[in-house]
Amino acid sequence: DGGITQSPKYLFRKEGQNVTLSCEQNLNHDAMYWYRQDPGQGLRLIYYSQIVNDFQKGDIAEGYSVSREKKESFPLTVTSAQKNPTAFYLCASSRGQSLSGEKLFFGSGTQLSVL
Amino acid sequence: ILNVEQSPQSLHVQEGDSTNFTCSFPSSNFYALHWYRWETAKSPEALFVMTLNGDEKKKGRISATLNTKEGYSYLYIKGSQPEDSATYLCAFPPIKAAGNKLTFGGGTRVLVKP
Repeated sequence: DGGITQSPKYLFRKEGQNVTLSCEQNLNHDAMYWYRQDPGQGLRLIYYSQIVNDFQKGDIAEGYSVSREKKESFPLTVTSAQKNPTAFYLCASSRGQSLSGEKLFFGSGTQLSVL
Repeated sequence: ILNVEQSPQSLHVQEGDSTNFTCSFPSSNFYALHWYRWETAKSPEALFVMTLNGDEKKKGRISATLNTKEGYSYLYIKGSQPEDSATYLCAFPPIKAAGNKLTFGGGTRVLVKP
């Protein structure tokens, strides 16, 4: 079955530590996205990528980094510079680059907590 | 960031009753409106992508309407069932250019009571 796989489901970070969240898709989609959800808030865009080896900052990119070396993979690193990393992280993809008509497909998310 | 507002934040519905809720968005430079359903412990799932003023879409007992001139969309659930319990999200791309970003509303959490 085609879809988006996020791992791990739960992740714990120690102070000063970088952690990486994995996102893999086998939908052959061009575009991929990382969203963050905090309680009581809407999903907020962290980074997105339209094509391999290219990515752009979203609305809350500070303290995060990404790479897009392969079409299928878009890992997110939460760096020690992100002072409030506890949140639920969702990865998504879309077939095309314009979201005027293309819907998002989502993974099942990673809950990141700080120890 | 252009705001997308959803109301109410939550609602309880008796099984069999119908309900509706609202997504408001900036009416200028409209391109599309997305609706997603997010059930607990599952991935958000697209319901509709709407692009034309006056558009109406239907998926089973769920339907949506769109008014781009006044900047709102309604989602209707007819004859609610417990499996309709979920958070319903709307989202709006602020600009049409490639590599766009969706701005999400805070969601309407629906709980259908048997």
